[in-house]
Order: sequence, then structure tokens, then C-alpha cells
Amino acid sequence: EAQVTQNPRYLITVTGKKLTVTCSQNMNHEYMSWYRQDPGLGLRQIYYSMNVEVTDKGDVPEGYKVSRKEKRNFPLILESPSPNQTSLYFCASSFRDINSPLHFGNGTRLTVT
Amino acid sequence: ILNVEQSPQSLHVQEGDSTNFTCSFPSSNFYALHWYRWETAKSPEALFVMTLNGDEKKKGRISATLNTKEGYSYLYIKGSQPEDSATYLCAFVPGAGSYQLTFGKGTKLSVIP
Repeated sequence: EAQVTQNPRYLITVTGKKLTVTCSQNMNHEYMSWYRQDPGLGLRQIYYSMNVEVTDKGDVPEGYKVSRKEKRNFPLILESPSPNQTSLYFCASSFRDINSPLHFGNGTRLTVT
Repeated sequence: ILNVEQSPQSLHVQEGDSTNFTCSFPSSNFYALHWYRWETAKSPEALFVMTLNGDEKKKGRISATLNTKEGYSYLYIKGSQPEDSATYLCAFVPGAGSYQLTFGKGTKLSVIP
């Protein structure tokens, strides 16, 4: 089944403890991206990747890192999480570029205390 | 950060009513406009990706139109059903070669049986 898989679905952590949220797609998509959803603010793009080893900042990249070492995986790294990064995170992918519809993962709800 | 506005914020309609809502975006530089349907506790699902001025797309009872010169897109739902209850998101891509996607805050539709 074609899908985007995020893990974990839920995560509670403490300020400053490094964490990684994984994202994997099995559709051979070139484009992958991360979003965060906060009440009243809509989905905001954190980082995106056009292909392997090609990444760029979205609208809210501060406090996050990403890597794209292989086509299927696009992990989101929080080196030193802070409470303002408590949010619902979505990974998404599309076939080639932003003319193609995005396929979203199931989301990761992160709480930083 | 680009300004993508959706109106209304929320909408309640009776089962069987037809409805429509609006997505406004900057008209000066356009590449693509996406529509997504987001049900509670699920992930956003793609409805349409529109790229040409005057585009009209249809999927069952849902259709969308695009006016890039004036910077708006309409989403129409004909004969609303309770299962149409969801938040409808639009997302704007500026300029050819851009890989950034800016989402509106969505229109939350509730269909009353």
C-alpha cells in the first residue's frame, strides 16, 4: 500500500532532550516536506526536500534540522526541543514537484515539557 | 510569509444544501493552488491541484475553480452530506521553480443531518 509513515505518533519529552521524528515513503517520491499545525495558525512548512541531499527552509525552520540521505526517508530532528515546539507535526511527499498533490503521514503529536 | 486567506472560517449547513467557500492568494506571482480535505483525527487528503487560470476541476460532488488574475479559488460542494464534514484547506505555490507551499487556515464545514 502506498503510504507515508511517521513515527512515533505521540511523543512526550523534556526541554533540551534531542529527538528525531522519522518519515518514510514507499512511492519513490522526489519531494518531501515537514509541517507543523498549531491552533489558529494553520499548517506551516518547516523544511522541504526536492531530492536526495537537497533541502531548504520553509517558513518556520528555527530549532529544526532535516536530512535526506536516501530518497524514501526524511527525518525531522529537534536538537534541543523547547516548549514552543509542542505541536502536531505532519510529513508529506509528492511525486516530483509542487505541481503534484501531497500525500500526508498520520501525524506526530509532540509535547515538550 | 505569503498571505493565503480562506473564508469563511467555519460554516454550518443542512444536509442537501450546496455550499461554497473561498481561497484568496497573491495574484502577482502564481504557480499552483492545492485543495485538501482534512477530517478530524485523520491526515489531510488531496482534492485538487490547479495550475491554469480558468481551470475547473471536479471530483464527485466537489468542484473547484481558479482565477489567477484576481487571486482566488472557489470550492463548491453540491448537495452536502454529513460525511462532507471536514476542514477544507487551500495551499498556494508562488512562481515557477518554487518548492514552498503556504496553507490557508482552512474552512471548517459541518453538515447537519
